[in-house]
Amino acid sequence: SQTIHQWPATLVQPVGSPLSLECTVEGTSNPNLYWYRQAAGRGLQLLFYSIGIGQISSEVPQNLSASRPQDRQFILSSKKLLLSDSGFYLCAWSAQGAVNEQFFGPGTRLTVL
Amino acid sequence: AQTVTQSQPEMSVQEAETVTLSCTYDTSESDYYLFWYKQPPSRQMILVIRQEAYKQQNATENRFSVNFQKAAKSFSLKISDSQLGDAAMYFCAYRRRTGNQFYFGTGTSLTVIP
Repeated sequence: SQTIHQWPATLVQPVGSPLSLECTVEGTSNPNLYWYRQAAGRGLQLLFYSIGIGQISSEVPQNLSASRPQDRQFILSSKKLLLSDSGFYLCAWSAQGAVNEQFFGPGTRLTVL
Repeated sequence: AQTVTQSQPEMSVQEAETVTLSCTYDTSESDYYLFWYKQPPSRQMILVIRQEAYKQQNATENRFSVNFQKAAKSFSLKISDSQLGDAAMYFCAYRRRTGNQFYFGTGTSLTVIP
């Protein structure tokens, strides 16, 4: 069966510090991968998605970036965090070429102070 | 561009009663997929139910069912015999058949009153 992992689960970082959130998927190959941000009490904002290694689509211009160094690994990064980067970050995957739903990871709660 | 609208930020229901959550979407596509996700306090997103646009029959999963009105671009979720464990944020989502992106509404927070 497929599983999706995210770490860390929680993170507190000072403004201006770098960020690296990691997401890995097991039990499937060549998945579509997604990063979402959920601000407090709000909906999901798609940040990035990837259909393959090295292929990243950015939905919202900001100081975040994403990379996919391996087939089942998706990384969300920032060189300098802003206060507005605080939120709950969700990674998700869906099967390529299929009309299945997305499967979500447990999320990372980021607080920027 | 596709948009998904959930016009009810908060809803409440008495335990064992029925509640309907609303969702509308905007698209020029004829073939697509619609989903309802549940996000309990644990924040883990869980798929509740899925509807394929080319199917006229409304999807049903146990106590959960949808009312899919394609012409009206409406996709409501009905929860019957509500239970305390149904308390959560519910998100409606859309995906074009040939697309990779999912579009989510802003969510409806459901409270179940004992």
